[in-house]
Amino acid sequence: QVQLQESGPGLVEPSETLSLTCVVSDFAISNGFYWGWIRQPPGKGLEWIASVYHSGNTFYNPSLKSRVTMSVDTSKNQFSLKLTSVTAADTAIYYCARQRPDTLDIWGQGTMVTVSS
Amino acid sequence: QSALTQPASVSGSPGQSITISCTGTSSDIGSYNLVSWFQQHPGKVPKLIIYEAGKRPSGVSDRFSGSKSGNTASLTISGLQAEDEGDYYCCSYAGGSTFWVFGGGTKLTVL
Repeated sequence: QVQLQESGPGLVEPSETLSLTCVVSDFAISNGFYWGWIRQPPGKGLEWIASVYHSGNTFYNPSLKSRVTMSVDTSKNQFSLKLTSVTAADTAIYYCARQRPDTLDIWGQGTMVTVSS
Repeated sequence: QSALTQPASVSGSPGQSITISCTGTSSDIGSYNLVSWFQQHPGKVPKLIIYEAGKRPSGVSDRFSGSKSGNTASLTISGLQAEDEGDYYCCSYAGGSTFWVFGGGTKLTVL
């Protein structure tokens, strides 16, 4: 059964860079699919952040594009997210997910990231 | 402000049916049949319940059904049960450099 697991610091200081990693189990990233990040601020809705293909091809939410970088490491079967110049508005649960051509079908458990000094 | 518009809340009694609407534009819902619905219980991960506007993943109850007309998608839950209470989010492929747009979510209360 395919599983995704996010990891990263739970607390990031304002203006710093948020870095998260998602490890995929029981499915080789190199076999295909896009892989994405979605976030959910406390008490609010979902927002797609970015997606990456195993080849490294990336797509970013236009509203975050200037601050976001996604990468993939097929040797470790994982993909990563970097979000620069964070503010309190970036405080959220960050989910990684497998992206089929038609939907986001498998999600990680999510990791809470708080931006605060 | 979310890209897709959903009612903030809906409610229904056990056994009844409810419908949640999701309105987008000709650039997202209106152009693609790639609408998904996710169910989220408090503190839990969003769960896929509908994809391609009206298809159900294996294991999802047939009480959940989806449809699309023009720029609006709908989720219908029939035979409401207490366990259906939670938040529901629609999501559509938006093409171009934007893969996915979400609705703001609808809180379902089972009375």
